[in-house]
Amino acid sequence: RKEVEQDPGPFNVPEGATVAFNCTYSNSASQSFFWYRQDCRKEPKLLMSVYSSGNEDGRFTAQLNRASQYISLLIRDSKLSDSATYLCVVNRGSARQLTFGSGTQLTVLP
Amino acid sequence: GAGVSQTPSNKVTEKGKYVELRCDPISGHTALYWYRQSLGQGPEFLIYFQGTGAADDSGLPNDRFFAVRPEGSVSTLKIQRTERGDSAVYLCASSLGDENEQFFGPGTRLTVL
Repeated sequence: RKEVEQDPGPFNVPEGATVAFNCTYSNSASQSFFWYRQDCRKEPKLLMSVYSSGNEDGRFTAQLNRASQYISLLIRDSKLSDSATYLCVVNRGSARQLTFGSGTQLTVLP
Repeated sequence: GAGVSQTPSNKVTEKGKYVELRCDPISGHTALYWYRQSLGQGPEFLIYFQGTGAADDSGLPNDRFFAVRPEGSVSTLKIQRTERGDSAVYLCASSLGDENEQFFGPGTRLTVL
């Protein structure tokens, strides 16, 4: 079983739609959680960190459920420019490396 | 300011050859990471440097892979006797400290024929 699991999609949604991505992680020692965005043939870039209390950045809301080892990302009022692959990422704290899911591909259609 | 840079951007080699991939981190970043990304997958950790020393090399797949960072800045990932399965995008990332955000370079796309 992979340490970080995501629905690979693809998710094809119309502009203005709300879309949610889910992710589960297997290592209960994980301490830090992130969503990264990766455009086609580009490097991953940090979208937002995820905190237990939930956090919001504009149209993006991230939530963490430590008991269920589950992370989510909600995108409201999606834009064409949101089309990308969204990577769920955890950090085990004592180990500094990031562990990535396989990514969920999103295409926002006009 | 300048981000993480990697050279070459593309490398095509033949099975059995030796390759070197270079990473220039953001100036002042003490932590440097190498990841490998295969098609349709997320990046997978290879090795992490804090300063000049490899603090964690647990992700290196076998002894054909080696990395150095002799002066605590530029790093080189070296792959001996390349195999077709080594074909992937090799990503380098750096961070100010080991608990700070990691910034990724554009990657080197390695193709082993």
